[in-house]
Amino acid sequence: NAGVTQTPKFRILKIGQSMTLQCTQDMNHNYMYWYRQDPGMGLKLIYYSVGAGITDKGEVPNGYNVSRSTTEDFPLRLELAAPSQTSVYFCASQGQGLSSGANVLTFGAGSRLTVL
Amino acid sequence: AQSVTQPDIHITVSEGASLELRCNYSYGATPYLFWYVQSPGQGLQLLLKYFSGDTLVQGIKGFEAEFKRSQSSFNLRKPSVHWSDAAEYFCAVGESGGGADGLTFGKGTHLIIQP
Repeated sequence: NAGVTQTPKFRILKIGQSMTLQCTQDMNHNYMYWYRQDPGMGLKLIYYSVGAGITDKGEVPNGYNVSRSTTEDFPLRLELAAPSQTSVYFCASQGQGLSSGANVLTFGAGSRLTVL
Repeated sequence: AQSVTQPDIHITVSEGASLELRCNYSYGATPYLFWYVQSPGQGLQLLLKYFSGDTLVQGIKGFEAEFKRSQSSFNLRKPSVHWSDAAEYFCAVGESGGGADGLTFGKGTHLIIQP
């Protein structure tokens, strides 16, 4: 299994540009998450989803949007990129009940975004 | 609100020496607790987890952690470190029962291994 796949791995944006970070998982997990990681700050939750069609804000949602049209995919959209959004972004998924990966976050490899 | 404190930003250990990374959490009930490791340029890999039962849990790569309710701690240990253990280590807390709103992470401890 591929697990959680994120694209792109690296991207440079100009201020005001928009882009979408892609995330897909092949573990049939209902729960999916987007975190951002800044040096010395750990990981902060941006948005999460408990299933197709359902999303909710995390700790730092401003400047981002998400959608969840399928169980597998959870893209993160930046509409007007700002330097404060320079960060490493991680997508993760979590299974429930007796499923594989229940109650444990499985992370993608990350997407490094720089806004200049 | 739940929170996690990792008091040590950096720790330097000689290869072959023992290691203990500290983690304190704040949570209203018995939490789910995790340690993740992140090698440079990589994603986060689960080292071990505590859900319930035996308070000493074993993980991958020879790591173990002990849940101490009275101290609200979940410290990570390894008896003898290897150069390949150099990485960033994150402690995290989650809702018992596997809540949907993800984990709360500490700020991380950067482990440096001296030859």
